[in-house]
Amino acid sequence: DGGITQSPKYLFRKEGQNVTLSCEQNLNHDAMYWYRQDPGQGLRLIYYSQIVNDFQKGDIAEGYSVSREKKESFPLTVTSAQKNPTAFYLCASSPREARGTDTQYFGPGTRLTVL
Amino acid sequence: KNQVEQSPQSLIILEGKNCTLQCNYTVSPFSNLRWYKQDTGRGPVSLTIMTFSENTKSNGRYTATLDADTKQSSLHITASQLSDSASYICVVSERGGGNKLTFGTGTQLKVEL
Repeated sequence: DGGITQSPKYLFRKEGQNVTLSCEQNLNHDAMYWYRQDPGQGLRLIYYSQIVNDFQKGDIAEGYSVSREKKESFPLTVTSAQKNPTAFYLCASSPREARGTDTQYFGPGTRLTVL
Repeated sequence: KNQVEQSPQSLIILEGKNCTLQCNYTVSPFSNLRWYKQDTGRGPVSLTIMTFSENTKSNGRYTATLDADTKQSSLHITASQLSDSASYICVVSERGGGNKLTFGTGTQLKVEL
């Protein structure tokens, strides 16, 4: 997991509530990513950020929001508009995205359950 | 649509045995292919990364191969250990697509005594 922390590890939320997942990295990486992992599916990209104060939607951004005010932090908010939020959420980071071959390093994940 | 397919979906082997996992992809234009290991409830950890010009890369008991012509890759695990029990995920990157990745669904490997 080296250098990337996610908290909390488990999170429970009632329907209709917004919740924010934390992701912090001390690897001095420029790029950060949020993925969602569901059983039987590959990881799907929610949002990514190449640099501070900039981020782009991934493949499944609806119902989610992010911010990138600091290089080391990339929090994800799961809003009440997300229809099926129960999933395992993974944060990742990599050196400058443009090089393409840079490995993405993943955090330990947060398992969100909507009650 | 870019796709990555892995087989088998799951596999059970005895400790000490070898196994080979398969990955087929349709990502184009191709940039590189990575294999990740993901323990249950944890984030994936990179094992290998191969570019177009590489056809074999090893990392300890893990050896990955790449055939860019047939768009196939394999991950061979030698002398398996109980700690190898995990999901192995094949990930392909698109050239010119920044670092956008297409993930396979993984092969769930269980190593038993």
